[in-house]
Amino acid sequence: GAVVSQHPSWVICKSGTSVKIECRSLDFQATTMFWYRQFPKQSLMLMATSNEGSKATYEQGVEKDKFLINHASLTLSTLTVTSAHPEDSSFYICSARKGRGPYEQYFGPGTRLTVT
Amino acid sequence: TQLLEQSPQFLSIQEGENLTVYCNSSSVFSSLQWYRQEPGEGPVLLVTVVTGGEVKKLKRLTFQFGDARKDSSLHITAAQPGDTGLYLCAGQPIKAAGNKLTFGGGTRVLVKP
Repeated sequence: GAVVSQHPSWVICKSGTSVKIECRSLDFQATTMFWYRQFPKQSLMLMATSNEGSKATYEQGVEKDKFLINHASLTLSTLTVTSAHPEDSSFYICSARKGRGPYEQYFGPGTRLTVT
Repeated sequence: TQLLEQSPQFLSIQEGENLTVYCNSSSVFSSLQWYRQEPGEGPVLLVTVVTGGEVKKLKRLTFQFGDARKDSSLHITAAQPGDTGLYLCAGQPIKAAGNKLTFGGGTRVLVKP
């Protein structure tokens, strides 16, 4: 199998606070995990690539100090949205790459973040 | 302009009808994946195509990879309401560095009972 979990599935926070989202590969080791953001009725937008034991690689336009990524182990990556604002409200999805074959990614169920 | 262009963007059909979703690019891909995403959930991998001209079937779904590995299609036969969702194609261009996927814009499919 290739199961990826995310926690929490939804979170509501107040403006100015920080929120941490966890992404875990449950039945495989993932040297690379990815964080996406998705707006309603749109496709996925890659935010950053997270490699175990090294710094994340952020896509152009994504603030690395705003979205902190930590890939502490082969099965866990975290995304922390710091000093959240209402415009950070979105659906955040992580994925993990399994194996060395075709670049298949297995996705978590997503986290709905609402900043009030 | 997206590297992977999906068409149509939206498709509404009656149960029992057939549909085809296209994914096109001017770039060559080492492989292409198709995902289906339902509202409030993450995308689920349906299939990976690797070889040019390859055809894969998954029950009523047929996936084809173009001979030149620049395009792919997804055909659903006798669609059912359970096929409703956002269909995404994704892949990595051969010339691209790293291991991140490029996603198409998605095709929203609605199958009405």
